[in-house]
Amino acid sequence: DQQVKQNSPSLSVQEGRISILNCDYTNSMFDYFLWYKKYPAEGPTFLISISSIKDKNEDGRFTVFLNKSAKHLSLHIVPSQPGDSAVYFCAASAGTGGFKTIFGAGTRLFVKA
Amino acid sequence: ETGVTQSPTHLIKTRGQQVTLRCSSQSGHNTVSWYQQALGQGPQFIFQYYREEENGRGNFPPRFSGLQFPNYSSELNVNALELDDSALYLCASSGGRGTGELFFGEGSRLTVL
Repeated sequence: DQQVKQNSPSLSVQEGRISILNCDYTNSMFDYFLWYKKYPAEGPTFLISISSIKDKNEDGRFTVFLNKSAKHLSLHIVPSQPGDSAVYFCAASAGTGGFKTIFGAGTRLFVKA
Repeated sequence: ETGVTQSPTHLIKTRGQQVTLRCSSQSGHNTVSWYQQALGQGPQFIFQYYREEENGRGNFPPRFSGLQFPNYSSELNVNALELDDSALYLCASSGGRGTGELFFGEGSRLTVL
């Protein structure tokens, strides 16, 4: 039972263009949605989050959009840079303190120079 | 501020053996979560500890057990190892903030032969 789904295993984007990573979820009880970035041989690092009561959160080049009716969220990276090449995980939690955070399978982003 | 550290970084065991993985949480964090990441998949939630008590568990059998100590460091124990237990085991700490942000260590890579 996959509660958080990332249907695109990989995405390739030209440097300077927009990267859009998508995520779908099934559990309406999730309170927070988060994006993590992972480089090889490192643990995931937190990138940006959004509360279920909001529909947009922006932090520099990164913006997360939440569509609760569609149970869908997306991460936009503008402009994309070669250093953004990594695996991006969508995650969701119900409750505070990262309680039982559930992760998607990840999308590998390649940003070409 | 000290980040999350895990040990050992790599280890090899044989089927049927037992393993203990260790994690020191980030300074000031009282919650530790453990995740299993198989190759090509996202992190799968094993369990979470809050103030030395198990605070939630994912879909893992009882041979996966854990402990949290008064200094909030934690151990993951796996008994009767199976080949499918080969994975990257990630520890994450959190401080109870409402955003649910997790801080991950670099992981322990377990290979079961």
